Amino acid sequence: DAMVIQNPRYQVTQFGKPVTLSCSQTLNHNVMYWYQQKSSQAPKLLFHYYDKDFNNEADTPDNFQSRRPNTSFCFLDIRSPGLGDAAMYLCATSTATAVGPDTQYFGPGTRLTVL
Amino acid sequence: LAKTTQPISMDSYEGQEVNITCSHNNIATNDYITWYQQFPSQGPRFIIQGYKTKVTNEVASLFIPADRKSSTLSLPRVSLSDTAVYYCLATGGFKTIFGAGTRLFVKA
Repeated sequence: DAMVIQNPRYQVTQFGKPVTLSCSQTLNHNVMYWYQQKSSQAPKLLFHYYDKDFNNEADTPDNFQSRRPNTSFCFLDIRSPGLGDAAMYLCATSTATAVGPDTQYFGPGTRLTVL
Repeated sequence: LAKTTQPISMDSYEGQEVNITCSHNNIATNDYITWYQQFPSQGPRFIIQGYKTKVTNEVASLFIPADRKSSTLSLPRVSLSDTAVYYCLATGGFKTIFGAGTRLFVKA
């Protein structure tokens, strides 16, 4: 089945120790998104890739970076995780364009714990 | 981007129809209305999407009045497994802002 896969499902890191979360998709969608979702809150968009074009949300901290080496894979790098970065990180894909409807397909998420 | 407002929570019983209304007074001409469902510790799942009038699929209906300033998600005959958070979005293109969502609790 075509799907969005996130690895690992659970990640524990230490305060200040860089961590990378990965997302892969078999849907061949041109757009990939990263969201942060803290406990009992709604998902918050961090950035997205439209093909190879990276688009950062204005309020996304510099501590968060992303890479998309090819259509199928996208990575979220947290350079120096703080306690406040503990959250569920969600990856999503779609075939959206700049104008028009956008139906996103989400992965199961990676829950990040910062010690 | 239009901000959306939904009830924080709703309770229902199995077998009932549930209607969740979302307000999006500042919806833009290019915005579409999309609803997602999210279970604990899972990613959101697309339910339904529309631009105006009524849209129906195998799991829900979406009613959008002519002025598009609100929309109503209708879930027919809910079951315990429909207990989840339901998010309404009014967006176009890549910009996605999730509102606070509605926590639906279905009781036996």
